[in-house]
Amino acid sequence: NAGVTQTPKFQVLKTGQSMTLQCAQDMNHNSMYWYRQDPGMGLRLIYYSASEGTTDKGEVPNGYNVSRLNKREFSLRLESAAPSQTSVYFCASSEAWGSEAFFGQGTRLTVV
Amino acid sequence: GQQVMQIPQYQHVQEGEDFTTYCNSSTTLSNIQWYKQRPGGHPVFLIQLVKSGEVKKQKRLTFQFGEAKKNSSLHITATQTTDVGTYFCAGDNQAGTALIFGKGTTLSVSS
Repeated sequence: NAGVTQTPKFQVLKTGQSMTLQCAQDMNHNSMYWYRQDPGMGLRLIYYSASEGTTDKGEVPNGYNVSRLNKREFSLRLESAAPSQTSVYFCASSEAWGSEAFFGQGTRLTVV
Repeated sequence: GQQVMQIPQYQHVQEGEDFTTYCNSSTTLSNIQWYKQRPGGHPVFLIQLVKSGEVKKQKRLTFQFGEAKKNSSLHITATQTTDVGTYFCAGDNQAGTALIFGKGTTLSVSS
């Protein structure tokens, strides 16, 4: 039982490049989330999907797009990467809103 | 917008001393969750509190939810080096559809 799997684990991008962070969960959870973590800023919610077929903006959605491909997968896309998007990105899922969230191992992204 | 605030941001203790972190929300929460993140790791769920005034214990950890459901605390008795990490509280957003995290309290313990 893998839980929440994120790929890639590390990535370096040049300013202006695009990329997609992949996330998949095998726990049949309804809700999925993308957070970014920066030093001293805690975990900030980028986008979330309360159920399959829905997505909503979180606290810091600018510069990102998401796709809830199916119940298992929730991807995060950076269309034109900027140095301010250098961060650690965590995907998480929960059975339902308000229940325990399970996190992936994180993706360490550097934009130069 | 809604905020979840934690204090202190950092705390250093000697092994065996107690530690407390406090969490305050600008809005009433339906529940509050606590997570621990070890250095270089990912957040791991510790506990969820739902009821006003609720107190839960996990070995040396004591969690409280305030009567007004706007604040919470985590108290560790007799810290150990294994307690090192960042402790986050998290509450629901105003739409009630996602978790908003505090900035965390980073605990360091020296032996």
